[in-house]
Amino acid sequence: NAGVTQTPKFQVLKTGQSMTLQCAQDMNHNSMYWYRQDPGMGLRLIYYSASEGTTDKGEVPNGYNVSRLNKREFSLRLESAAPSQTSVYFCASSPMGHINTGELFFGEGSRLTVL
Amino acid sequence: DAKTTQPTSMDCAEGRAANLPCNHSTISGNEYVYWYRQIHSQGPQYIIHGLKNNETNEMASLIITEDRKSSTLILPHATLRDTAVYYCIVRSAGGTSYGKLTFGQGTILTVHP
Repeated sequence: NAGVTQTPKFQVLKTGQSMTLQCAQDMNHNSMYWYRQDPGMGLRLIYYSASEGTTDKGEVPNGYNVSRLNKREFSLRLESAAPSQTSVYFCASSPMGHINTGELFFGEGSRLTVL
Repeated sequence: DAKTTQPTSMDCAEGRAANLPCNHSTISGNEYVYWYRQIHSQGPQYIIHGLKNNETNEMASLIITEDRKSSTLILPHATLRDTAVYYCIVRSAGGTSYGKLTFGQGTILTVHP
Protein backbone atom coordinates (compact mmCIF):
# COMPACT_ATOMS: atom_id res chain seq x y z
CA ASN A 1 0.00 0.00 0.00
CA ALA A 2 1.55 3.28 -1.14
CA GLY A 3 -0.50 5.60 1.10
CA VAL A 4 0.85 9.16 0.71
CA THR A 5 3.71 9.59 -1.74
CA GLN A 6 5.83 12.72 -1.94
CA THR A 7 8.33 13.70 -4.61
CA PRO A 8 11.12 14.65 -4.60
CA LYS A 9 12.50 13.35 -1.31
CA PHE A 10 15.48 15.70 -1.43
CA GLN A 11 16.04 18.98 -3.27
CA VAL A 12 18.62 21.75 -3.20
CA LEU A 13 17.68 25.13 -4.66
CA LYS A 14 19.37 28.46 -5.06
CA THR A 15 17.67 31.58 -3.75
CA GLY A 16 15.10 32.79 -6.25
CA GLN A 17 14.58 29.48 -8.00
CA SER A 18 11.15 27.93 -8.18
CA MET A 19 10.01 24.38 -7.69
CA THR A 20 6.96 22.26 -7.03
CA LEU A 21 6.60 19.53 -4.44
CA GLN A 22 4.24 16.80 -5.53
CA CYS A 23 1.97 14.75 -3.31
CA ALA A 24 -0.37 11.92 -4.20
CA GLN A 25 -2.54 9.64 -2.09
CA ASP A 26 -4.27 6.42 -3.08
CA MET A 27 -6.69 6.12 -0.15
CA ASN A 28 -9.55 8.06 -1.76
CA HIS A 29 -9.29 10.72 0.93
CA ASN A 30 -11.05 14.02 0.42
CA SER A 31 -8.74 16.25 2.47
CA MET A 32 -5.07 16.93 1.95
CA TYR A 33 -2.53 19.10 3.77
CA TRP A 34 0.95 20.53 3.52
CA TYR A 35 3.02 21.01 6.69
CA ARG A 36 6.57 22.18 7.22
CA GLN A 37 8.88 21.20 10.03
CA ASP A 38 11.95 23.16 11.02
CA PRO A 39 14.73 21.70 13.18
CA GLY A 40 13.61 21.10 16.76
CA MET A 41 10.11 22.33 16.10
CA GLY A 42 6.71 20.84 15.64
CA LEU A 43 4.83 20.82 12.37
CA ARG A 44 3.18 23.97 11.06
CA LEU A 45 0.33 23.92 8.57
CA ILE A 46 1.03 25.77 5.30
CA TYR A 47 -2.09 25.09 3.23
CA TYR A 48 -4.86 22.57 3.18
CA SER A 49 -7.56 21.36 0.84
CA ALA A 50 -10.72 20.15 2.54
CA SER A 51 -12.02 18.70 -0.70
CA GLU A 52 -11.27 18.66 -4.40
CA GLY A 53 -11.52 22.15 -5.82
CA THR A 54 -10.95 23.99 -2.55
CA THR A 55 -7.81 25.26 -0.86
CA ASP A 56 -7.27 27.36 2.26
CA LYS A 57 -4.39 29.00 4.04
CA GLY A 58 -2.94 27.50 7.15
CA GLU A 59 -0.63 28.98 9.74
CA VAL A 60 2.34 29.87 7.50
CA PRO A 61 1.17 30.32 3.86
CA ASN A 62 3.41 33.20 2.79
CA GLY A 63 5.76 32.33 -0.06
CA TYR A 64 3.78 29.26 -1.14
CA ASN A 65 1.02 28.37 -3.55
CA VAL A 66 -0.92 25.14 -3.84
CA SER A 67 -2.96 23.31 -6.42
CA ARG A 68 -5.44 20.54 -5.79
CA LEU A 69 -5.07 18.95 -9.20
CA ASN A 70 -7.63 16.24 -8.58
CA LYS A 71 -8.77 14.13 -5.66
CA ARG A 72 -5.47 12.26 -5.50
CA GLU A 73 -2.94 15.04 -5.97
CA PHE A 74 -2.04 18.17 -4.03
CA SER A 75 1.04 20.15 -5.03
CA LEU A 76 2.99 22.85 -3.21
CA ARG A 77 4.85 25.48 -5.22
CA LEU A 78 7.63 27.80 -4.18
CA GLU A 79 7.71 30.61 -6.75
CA SER A 80 10.89 32.28 -5.52
CA ALA A 81 12.67 30.18 -2.93
CA ALA A 82 14.27 31.84 0.08
CA PRO A 83 16.71 30.40 2.66
CA SER A 84 13.93 30.70 5.26
CA GLN A 85 12.07 28.02 3.34
CA THR A 86 14.74 25.45 4.07
CA SER A 87 12.72 22.81 5.86
CA VAL A 88 11.22 19.35 5.74
CA TYR A 89 7.84 19.37 4.06
CA PHE A 90 5.18 16.80 4.87
CA CYS A 91 2.06 16.10 2.92
CA ALA A 92 -0.88 14.44 4.66
CA SER A 93 -4.37 13.27 3.82
CA SER A 94 -7.46 12.33 5.78
CA PRO A 95 -10.96 11.07 5.10
CA MET A 96 -13.79 13.52 5.39
CA GLY A 97 -17.20 12.71 6.67
CA HIS A 98 -19.81 13.35 9.29
CA ILE A 99 -17.95 11.16 11.71
CA ASN A 100 -14.20 11.01 11.38
CA THR A 101 -11.34 9.75 13.46
CA GLY A 102 -9.22 12.80 12.81
CA GLU A 103 -6.50 10.47 11.69
CA LEU A 104 -4.03 12.03 9.30
CA PHE A 105 -1.83 9.89 7.11
CA PHE A 106 1.54 11.47 6.42
CA GLY A 107 4.07 11.03 3.66
CA GLU A 108 7.75 10.45 4.36
CA GLY A 109 8.69 14.07 3.80
CA SER A 110 10.59 16.16 1.28
CA ARG A 111 13.81 17.73 2.50
CA LEU A 112 14.41 21.09 0.87
CA THR A 113 17.54 23.20 1.21
CA VAL A 114 17.65 26.72 -0.19
CA LEU A 115 21.14 28.18 -0.54
CA ASP B 1 -8.20 24.69 19.79
CA ALA B 2 -6.95 24.22 23.35
CA LYS B 3 -3.25 24.46 24.09
CA THR B 4 -1.38 21.46 25.47
CA THR B 5 1.61 21.16 27.76
CA GLN B 6 3.95 18.16 27.68
CA PRO B 7 7.30 17.41 29.33
CA THR B 8 10.20 18.03 27.01
CA SER B 9 11.72 14.59 27.43
CA MET B 10 11.24 11.27 29.23
CA ASP B 11 13.15 8.03 29.58
CA CYS B 12 11.83 4.51 29.85
CA ALA B 13 13.41 1.07 30.21
CA GLU B 14 12.71 -1.43 27.49
CA GLY B 15 9.84 -3.73 28.43
CA ARG B 16 8.42 -1.33 30.98
CA ALA B 17 5.33 0.81 30.55
CA ALA B 18 5.88 4.33 29.25
CA ASN B 19 3.44 6.87 30.65
CA LEU B 20 3.41 10.18 28.79
CA PRO B 21 1.43 12.98 30.42
CA CYS B 22 -0.32 15.89 28.75
CA ASN B 23 -2.05 18.87 30.31
CA HIS B 24 -4.91 20.56 28.46
CA SER B 25 -6.62 22.59 31.16
CA THR B 26 -8.50 24.83 28.69
CA ILE B 27 -10.07 21.98 26.74
CA SER B 28 -13.70 22.52 25.83
CA GLY B 29 -16.54 20.04 25.70
CA ASN B 30 -16.35 19.22 22.00
CA GLU B 31 -12.60 18.87 21.79
CA TYR B 32 -10.87 15.53 21.38
CA VAL B 33 -7.40 14.54 22.56
CA TYR B 34 -5.19 13.06 19.85
CA TRP B 35 -1.76 11.48 20.08
CA TYR B 36 0.72 11.20 17.24
CA ARG B 37 4.36 10.22 17.23
CA GLN B 38 7.25 10.95 14.93
CA ILE B 39 10.14 8.54 14.66
CA HIS B 40 13.41 10.12 13.59
CA SER B 41 12.16 12.65 11.01
CA GLN B 42 9.70 10.26 9.41
CA GLY B 43 6.16 11.44 8.84
CA PRO B 44 4.07 11.59 12.01
CA GLN B 45 2.02 8.51 12.81
CA TYR B 46 -1.42 8.50 14.41
CA ILE B 47 -1.60 6.58 17.68
CA ILE B 48 -4.94 7.08 19.37
CA HIS B 49 -7.60 9.64 20.23
CA GLY B 50 -10.42 10.07 22.74
CA LEU B 51 -13.10 12.43 24.00
CA LYS B 52 -13.78 11.53 27.63
CA ASN B 53 -13.67 7.76 27.94
CA ASN B 54 -10.47 5.80 28.21
CA GLU B 55 -9.43 4.26 24.92
CA THR B 56 -7.23 1.33 23.98
CA ASN B 57 -5.98 0.03 20.67
CA GLU B 58 -3.19 -2.24 19.50
CA MET B 59 -0.60 0.50 19.98
CA ALA B 60 -1.48 2.22 23.23
CA SER B 61 -3.98 3.23 25.88
CA LEU B 62 -5.28 6.72 26.51
CA ILE B 63 -6.41 7.70 29.98
CA ILE B 64 -8.35 10.97 30.23
CA THR B 65 -9.10 12.42 33.68
CA GLU B 66 -12.70 12.94 34.66
CA ASP B 67 -12.42 16.72 34.37
CA ARG B 68 -10.67 16.22 30.98
CA LYS B 69 -7.95 18.68 31.90
CA SER B 70 -5.19 16.15 31.47
CA SER B 71 -4.49 12.80 29.89
CA THR B 72 -1.84 10.08 29.80
CA LEU B 73 -0.70 8.00 26.88
CA ILE B 74 0.44 4.55 27.96
CA LEU B 75 2.70 2.31 25.91
CA PRO B 76 2.33 -0.92 27.91
CA HIS B 77 5.59 -2.60 26.96
CA ALA B 78 7.97 -0.08 25.45
CA THR B 79 10.50 -1.25 22.89
CA LEU B 80 13.52 0.50 21.40
CA ARG B 81 11.42 1.20 18.30
CA ASP B 82 9.09 3.34 20.43
CA THR B 83 11.83 5.97 20.79
CA ALA B 84 10.23 9.00 19.15
CA VAL B 85 8.70 12.43 19.68
CA TYR B 86 5.15 12.10 20.98
CA TYR B 87 2.66 14.87 20.29
CA CYS B 88 -0.48 15.48 22.30
CA ILE B 89 -3.00 17.53 20.31
CA VAL B 90 -6.41 18.85 21.24
CA ARG B 91 -8.91 19.88 18.59
CA SER B 92 -12.58 19.93 17.84
CA ALA B 93 -14.12 17.24 15.67
CA GLY B 94 -16.08 17.66 12.49
CA GLY B 95 -16.30 20.37 9.90
CA THR B 96 -13.38 21.29 7.72
CA SER B 97 -11.03 22.07 10.56
CA TYR B 98 -10.39 18.57 11.71
CA GLY B 99 -7.22 18.18 9.73
CA LYS B 100 -5.71 21.38 10.98
CA LEU B 101 -3.75 19.81 13.76
CA THR B 102 -1.57 22.12 15.80
CA PHE B 103 1.63 20.31 16.66
CA GLY B 104 3.56 21.63 19.65
CA GLN B 105 7.06 20.63 20.74
CA GLY B 106 6.03 17.20 21.95
CA THR B 107 7.80 14.85 24.35
CA ILE B 108 11.00 13.10 23.30
CA LEU B 109 10.67 9.56 24.62
CA THR B 110 13.89 7.58 24.79
CA VAL B 111 13.60 3.88 25.47
CA HIS B 112 16.78 2.37 26.94
CA PRO B 113 17.90 -1.28 26.71
